Amino acid sequence: GENVEQHPSTLSVQEGDSAVIKCTYSDSASNYFPWYKQELGKRPQLIIDIRSNVGEKKDQRIAVTLNKTAKHFSLHITETQPEDSAVYFCAASIASGNQFYFGTGTSLTVIP
Amino acid sequence: GAVVSQHPSWVICKSGTSVKIECRSLDFQATTMFWYRQFPKQSLMLMATSNEGSKATYEQGVEKDKFLINHASLTLSTLTVTSAHPEDSSFYICSASFRGHEQYFGPGTRLTVT
Repeated sequence: GENVEQHPSTLSVQEGDSAVIKCTYSDSASNYFPWYKQELGKRPQLIIDIRSNVGEKKDQRIAVTLNKTAKHFSLHITETQPEDSAVYFCAASIASGNQFYFGTGTSLTVIP
Repeated sequence: GAVVSQHPSWVICKSGTSVKIECRSLDFQATTMFWYRQFPKQSLMLMATSNEGSKATYEQGVEKDKFLINHASLTLSTLTVTSAHPEDSSFYICSASFRGHEQYFGPGTRLTVT
């Protein structure tokens, strides 16, 4: 089955700096890659996603890049703010099968 | 739109008893629902995938006789933890999707087995 690895497990940045989180996946059939933000005790919230026919997608301060050949994708957050502090999870999915396999999570702390 | 609810939000039960958790899609019909388990400061672990009207598909290592999943309608799936033990204490989250689109997560259920 699919194996998703995520790095780093923890990340601290100064407010205003950028944060980058990286994930790799093993199944070349995976073609949908969402990123979720989860605050303590709450449900995961989708923040951005990318499909395998696209190399990069951006939404305001958040961007995701995908390298299908290398089987890795990354989340980029620019101009970080304290409210960006949370745990971020990447996931990989074969859209037709719907199953998501999540990375191990990155705890992001933005220091004011 | 795309609201998913779970009930109860938290439950405490005694060892050996069974607990049922409901997951409902409130404003759309979910062709597929998923059940995840999350330990503190860890990732979401997929337990099973259920399609309306058919048996759930369990991930390797998940006991299907212990974690009973029923997806009787397009808006409701239930997870029953049978003969619960303290090691079953965890945060259980469901999600729902419609025909391969985005998954929408429920708020989770905190289960504590004493």
